[in-house]
Amino acid sequence: AQSVAQPEDQVNVAEGNPLTVKCTYSVSGNPYLFWYVQYPNRGLQFLLKYITGDNLVKGSYGFEAEFNKSQTSFHLKKPSALVSDSALYFCAVSSMDSNYQLIWGAGTKLIIKP
Amino acid sequence: EADIYQIPRYLVIGTGKKITLECSQTMGHDKMYWYQQDPGMELHLIHYSYGVNSTEKGDLSSESTVSRIRTEHFPLTLESARPSHTSQYLCASSGVADTQYFGPGTRLTVL
Repeated sequence: AQSVAQPEDQVNVAEGNPLTVKCTYSVSGNPYLFWYVQYPNRGLQFLLKYITGDNLVKGSYGFEAEFNKSQTSFHLKKPSALVSDSALYFCAVSSMDSNYQLIWGAGTKLIIKP
Repeated sequence: EADIYQIPRYLVIGTGKKITLECSQTMGHDKMYWYQQDPGMELHLIHYSYGVNSTEKGDLSSESTVSRIRTEHFPLTLESARPSHTSQYLCASSGVADTQYFGPGTRLTVL
């Protein structure tokens, strides 16, 4: 069965420190991996995706994510957190086996403290 | 920024009313989706469509129905709203690259 795990319900980081939001996945075949962000009372905004190629993917707002095939992970990172990064972050995966439909993680609440 | 619109943004109605949540996109995407999300919680796919006259139910059982008569339009209808339908409803669309783009959502409250 295909699945996505975001093991942390909440991540707390001090402003200016690096942040990591974790995501692991389980799919058959080659995964397509995505990160989205959701601000309060808003829809989801696409941040970045990995389809193929370089394992390090750069996205919007200074975020990046690293695809690690051996660890089946796709952690979201940012070198220096901003208070405005505080939001809900979702990881998602699709593959041929899911007919390229997105399988979503449960979300991680990121809180950046001044 | 993706061009996908949802109307209304907020709706408060009484039990038993029929409602339609509108979703439109101007990107020419074939695939469209409806998700249900309680505040701060995970997304649940309730309906999707891969093109005109194509609709499928998602993973979460829902009493709502959808139609896809035009590529750009994917409305969701509740024939008789109940308090258990109180939630946020998110519409999304995707093209060949399968990146889904989301509308701002409709927050529904059924009294």
